[in-house]
Amino acid sequence: GQNIDQPTEMTATEGAIVQINCTYQTSGFNGLFWYQQHAGEAPTFLSYNVLDGLEEKGRFSSFLSRSKGYSYLLLKELQMKDSASYLCAVMGGGSYIPTFGRGTSLIVHP
Amino acid sequence: GAGVSQSPSNKVTEKGKDVELRCDPISGHTALYWYRQSLGQGLEFLIYFQGNSAPDKSGLPSDRFSAERTGGSVSTLTIQRTQQEDSAVYLCASSDGTGKFYEQYFGPGTRLTVT
Repeated sequence: GQNIDQPTEMTATEGAIVQINCTYQTSGFNGLFWYQQHAGEAPTFLSYNVLDGLEEKGRFSSFLSRSKGYSYLLLKELQMKDSASYLCAVMGGGSYIPTFGRGTSLIVHP
Repeated sequence: GAGVSQSPSNKVTEKGKDVELRCDPISGHTALYWYRQSLGQGLEFLIYFQGNSAPDKSGLPSDRFSAERTGGSVSTLTIQRTQQEDSAVYLCASSDGTGKFYEQYFGPGTRLTVT
């Protein structure tokens, strides 16, 4: 199976940059995903990494190192609306079923 | 176009009763997932349907849980003889299943409360 670890909570200031880390252990690897979930709402897809390196999408970037079992989500120019839970998920080899971490609750304050 | 829809949005039931939760995926999406999310917990996988293949039921917590997907579209999750520990938000998601299989679109969820 998969084991995923990410911080429970982080705080940051509006306009700043924050990095949310995710470490994982998995049998085989078929991709790592990040989802955003606002309180009381459904998760929405942010990014997908299957190869090592950085994927940039606007203010959000996601990095992957398969050899280290490590990913991070980088959020730039933080806005108040970025306050949400960020879920890291991994698909093991040969599987289309993701295992989700418990999520990191990000609080952005003025 | 229409997203994933789920019904009911909220369900309160007494312990021991059966409940049915419904999911309408995005039209054309061949993959459908059921998850549940308890307070402070991550998404817990329950069951996965892909096209006409046999579903992957490896996440179902007990034999009180079952799910069907009729005609490759609508899915129903049934919980028999509900217990208080079944209280959670049940989320359904669908994806392309072939191309962007990793991009799941989630419904708004059904909040189940067992009293």
